[in-house]
Amino acid sequence: AQSVTQPDIHITVSEGASLELRCNYSYGATPYLFWYVQSPGQGLQLLLKYFSGDTLVQGIKGFEAEFKRSQSSFNLRKPSVHWSDAAEYFCAVGRRNSGGYQKVTFGTGTKLQVIP
Amino acid sequence: GAGVSQSPRYKVTKRGQDVALRCDPISGHVSLYWYRQALGQGPEFLTYFNYEAQQDKSGLPNDRFSAERPEGSISTLTIQRTEQRDSAMYRCASKRGRPPNTEAFFGQGTRLTVV
Repeated sequence: AQSVTQPDIHITVSEGASLELRCNYSYGATPYLFWYVQSPGQGLQLLLKYFSGDTLVQGIKGFEAEFKRSQSSFNLRKPSVHWSDAAEYFCAVGRRNSGGYQKVTFGTGTKLQVIP
Repeated sequence: GAGVSQSPRYKVTKRGQDVALRCDPISGHVSLYWYRQALGQGPEFLTYFNYEAQQDKSGLPNDRFSAERPEGSISTLTIQRTEQRDSAMYRCASKRGRPPNTEAFFGQGTRLTVV
């Protein structure tokens, strides 16, 4: 069974500083990997995904993530954080099948606080 | 519709009552998923459908929970004899069938409170 660990429950960064949110997964094969963002009162929005190919993935809002198979990691990064990035971020892994992916397992999330 | 629509947005019910939560997926989306998210936790998989067929219900916590999608579009998640521990945000998502590696879109969820 797949699983996802987000070791940081809460992170605070200054506006303009760089950001890295950690994600480690457990899965027997090459997984499908996702990062979602959840703002208060909003649904989950996909930031980026990795399916295959280039291990450095670019997403929306200036985010990127790098798939490192040797470390079973998929950390999310942003070079300069904006106050509007304050939200909760979820890493997720999808199980592959012949139809692509189906069941997605989410981590427990990292809450990002941005201070002036 | 333009996005995944869930209703009601908020539901308060008394312990022991049955509740039905509705999900209207994006038009034409083949796959539909139900997740439950407790406070401070990530979404937890409950079940999913391809068209009207329930493909995986391994995440349903017990037999009080059931889901259906009779015409391959709208889905209903039903919780019978609700308990306080059922209080959570219930999220629905839908995904196109082809190409297979497409994004799942989430609705805004139904916040269920059992008192």
